Amino acid sequence: AQTVTQSQPEMSVQEAETVTLSCTYDTSESNYYLFWYKQPPSRQMILVIRQEAYKQQNATENRFSVNFQKAAKSFSLKISDSQLGDTAMYFCAFMNRDDKIIFGKGTRLHILP
Amino acid sequence: KAGVTQTPRYLIKTRGQQVTLSCSPISGHRSVSWYQQTPGQGLQFLFEYFSETQRNKGNFPGRFSGRQFSNSRSEMNVSTLELGDSALYLCASSFAPTGGWTNEKLFFGSGTQLSVL
Repeated sequence: AQTVTQSQPEMSVQEAETVTLSCTYDTSESNYYLFWYKQPPSRQMILVIRQEAYKQQNATENRFSVNFQKAAKSFSLKISDSQLGDTAMYFCAFMNRDDKIIFGKGTRLHILP
Repeated sequence: KAGVTQTPRYLIKTRGQQVTLSCSPISGHRSVSWYQQTPGQGLQFLFEYFSETQRNKGNFPGRFSGRQFSNSRSEMNVSTLELGDSALYLCASSFAPTGGWTNEKLFFGSGTQLSVL
């Protein structure tokens, strides 16, 4: 069975700093999707970034980028120039070809002024 | 375009009752998924509906059921509520392009917070 592990339950960084959130997963499949979702206090989950496993190049969305290490089954999220609005719960997620999404337990990120 | 709408936002029920939650997806989206979120278990997949048919199902007891209507709106029902059913229930919709990955981009609603007393 696929699993997703986020080893950092909570993190705090100063505004404008760079922060990296870790995620590892376990699967025997060769093609799949990985995601980072953000859940602010409003509770609405928002897709931050996604990566298809077949694509070697790491995905980037503005200040958000990932470090995808397929062999190591690692998918970390880097937030550059962090802003107060980045304060949220971040969930790493995995999706296989049957479109079922499995979420990690989340990392609560605090951006401090 | 309106986002995913879930009603009600908050609900308080007592053990043994049943409850129905509603989800209206983004216009044009054909797939609707439901998730249960609790502090202890995190986000757990309940089920997914596509064109009125259940495509996928998570590991929840039969007390949890759902359906999807022809306009893609979805409801989930929990019968014989237990204290452990207290959770945030999230609905997500996706466009589901033909031949593509159905859930490569999910759009979530703000959830229904269910409290069972």
